Amino acid sequence: DGGITQSPKYLFRKEGQNVTLSCEQNLNHDAMYWYRQDPGQGLRLIYYSQIVNDFQKGDIAEGYSVSREKKESFPLTVTSAQKNPTAFYLCASSGGTGVTGYTFGSGTRLTVV
Amino acid sequence: GENVEQHPSTLSVQEGDSAVIKCTYSDSASNYFPWYKQELGKRPQLIIDIRSNVGEKKDQRIAVTLNKTAKHFSLHITETQPEDSAVYFCAARSGGSYIPTFGRGTSLIVHP
Repeated sequence: DGGITQSPKYLFRKEGQNVTLSCEQNLNHDAMYWYRQDPGQGLRLIYYSQIVNDFQKGDIAEGYSVSREKKESFPLTVTSAQKNPTAFYLCASSGGTGVTGYTFGSGTRLTVV
Repeated sequence: GENVEQHPSTLSVQEGDSAVIKCTYSDSASNYFPWYKQELGKRPQLIIDIRSNVGEKKDQRIAVTLNKTAKHFSLHITETQPEDSAVYFCAARSGGSYIPTFGRGTSLIVHP
């Protein structure tokens, strides 16, 4: 499915619960990214990673955590510290230096219940 | 850092008309400008991009123009079709970073 797979497609979280969103790519891309999408707000960067075992905070990292133990995988954990987690989450990858555009995953819609 | 403004936020056209979406950027060092199309409930997909050494690029009914002096770039869609209905995002990547900054998106509605 375009070389980058996100799961699950829909996720429901109870108050005070941590949840982890999966992102896997087989494009051999060095860089991976997590974005949050809310209506009317475009795409906001949560975290990004250029290489394995290294990642950087984006514009809205509070309440989120990531890991990059393998080149192919970049999971995002939405912690209980994130007070408004209901959103559409998009994972993306690129060749590493941004000289080409992103390849996006199909997204995970997270809802707090 | 880079700041990207995108207009309009909503654009409604009749099938067959042209549609133009405009973006401005703040960092004169930006050198890569992609455009993404996102259909309802789906992933954004790259539809066209332009680099700072080029003024215009076309791909069938889609074209992008870049004015480096004025720091703005535009997406042009000719002979619009209902399947062009989607949200379109522009982005600009500063030469000092490989993270693009996105505009807030334009919802294009093409009426049959």
